[in-house]
Amino acid sequence: EVQLLESGGGLVQPGGSLRLSCAASAFNVNNYAMAWVRQAPGKGLEWVSSFFPSGNTVYTDAVKGRFTISRDNSKNMLYLQMNSLRAEDTALYYCAKYGSGTFIYYLDHWGQGTLVTVSS
Amino acid sequence: DIQMTQSPSSLSASVGDRVTITCRASQNSGTSLNWYQQKSGQAPKVLIYAGSNLKSGVPSRFSGSGSGTDFTLTISSLQPEDFATYYCQQSYGNPWTFGQGTKVEIK
Repeated sequence: EVQLLESGGGLVQPGGSLRLSCAASAFNVNNYAMAWVRQAPGKGLEWVSSFFPSGNTVYTDAVKGRFTISRDNSKNMLYLQMNSLRAEDTALYYCAKYGSGTFIYYLDHWGQGTLVTVSS
Repeated sequence: DIQMTQSPSSLSASVGDRVTITCRASQNSGTSLNWYQQKSGQAPKVLIYAGSNLKSGVPSRFSGSGSGTDFTLTISSLQPEDFATYYCQQSYGNPWTFGQGTKVEIK
């Protein structure tokens, strides 16, 4: 059974940094595109970043230049390095796996999320 | 960016009702439209992908239709476990964008 387990969230001051981790099981992260999606308290879903099997990465404009998505195939892990954090980055961050299919893109497995709070 | 607008933002319905949620994209999105269900305190779960494909394991009372800019999620007979918030999401272009959500509540 596919499982995704996020960790690394917490309380950080504005301008600070955090690294989120996502441990994957029952599949190899290097074979699938992976994504981070966030949800501010009481709000909707916002896609943050994706990492493709080719090594290509994409980001939403709001985090470009501040966040870096990466992958460790040997550990079967996905990461999100978050720098220069702002209050508006406060959210529950989900790790998610893309579904299978040629030119069909959707998120078919999600973790339970890790909460990031940016506040002084 | 492609903006996604769902309607209604919320609705009240009874068990057994037929429920329809619409999603409009600000520009052509082909059939690259997915629907997710999120129950309180849980992660989202995909119901429909690529416009009309029912994800394995999802009850057949859920269906999706549409292409281009107008899409619909239909629940043919609402069940108690269907009370949740539903989100559409386009995967036609980057950045991926979600609708604001439709909360389905018990009447």
